[in-house]
Amino acid sequence: EDQVTQSPEALRLQEGESSSLNCSYTVSGLRGLFWYRQDPGKGPEFLFTLYSAGEEKEKERLKATLTKKESFLHITAPKPEDSATYLCAVQSSDSNYQLIWGAGTKLIIKP
Amino acid sequence: DSGVTQTPKHLITATGQRVTLRCSPRSGDLSVYWYQQSLDQGLQFLIQYYNGEERAKGNILERFSAQQFPDLHSELNLSSLELGDSALYFCASSARQGSNYGYTFGSGTRLTVV
Repeated sequence: EDQVTQSPEALRLQEGESSSLNCSYTVSGLRGLFWYRQDPGKGPEFLFTLYSAGEEKEKERLKATLTKKESFLHITAPKPEDSATYLCAVQSSDSNYQLIWGAGTKLIIKP
Repeated sequence: DSGVTQTPKHLITATGQRVTLRCSPRSGDLSVYWYQQSLDQGLQFLIQYYNGEERAKGNILERFSAQQFPDLHSELNLSSLELGDSALYFCASSARQGSNYGYTFGSGTRLTVV
């Protein structure tokens, strides 16, 4: 069964303290892995799509990487405005284009 | 503004009632997805439409139904409402049946059943 697991559930960091969020997945055939950011009470906002192992994408302080079993979202020198829930989702070749979502990591950056 | 419009933003109704949530996808997008997100819970996929046809169903209750109209806007109908139906309901759209380019989400409708 296709599955996505995100860890940790919550992460508290001081401003400027770099860290990584993990997204482990089990799918029959990966078509794509997606990262989203969700602020409280708002819709998820698309960040990245990764398609194959070894691929990396960057946007400001965020960098997403992908292996055959997991993806990492690296946050470098975070600021309080980076506080949000980060969601990972995968699309498998068997899923009829549906996204399988992880439960998210709630990131809190303290000034 | 993501380009996906959801109305209303907030809805308060009583148990047993019926409500309709509306979604206008981003211009040019043919696929519409509906999701439910309860407090501090993950996104639960409800249903997908592509160019007016139902394409996939998730954990959608029989009391819930949806449709996509010729102008591509979609409506989610929730009936015989229960307290547990209180949640944020999101609509998302994508350009094709597939989501290789990512979904674009609306800002959601917050439904409170009292």
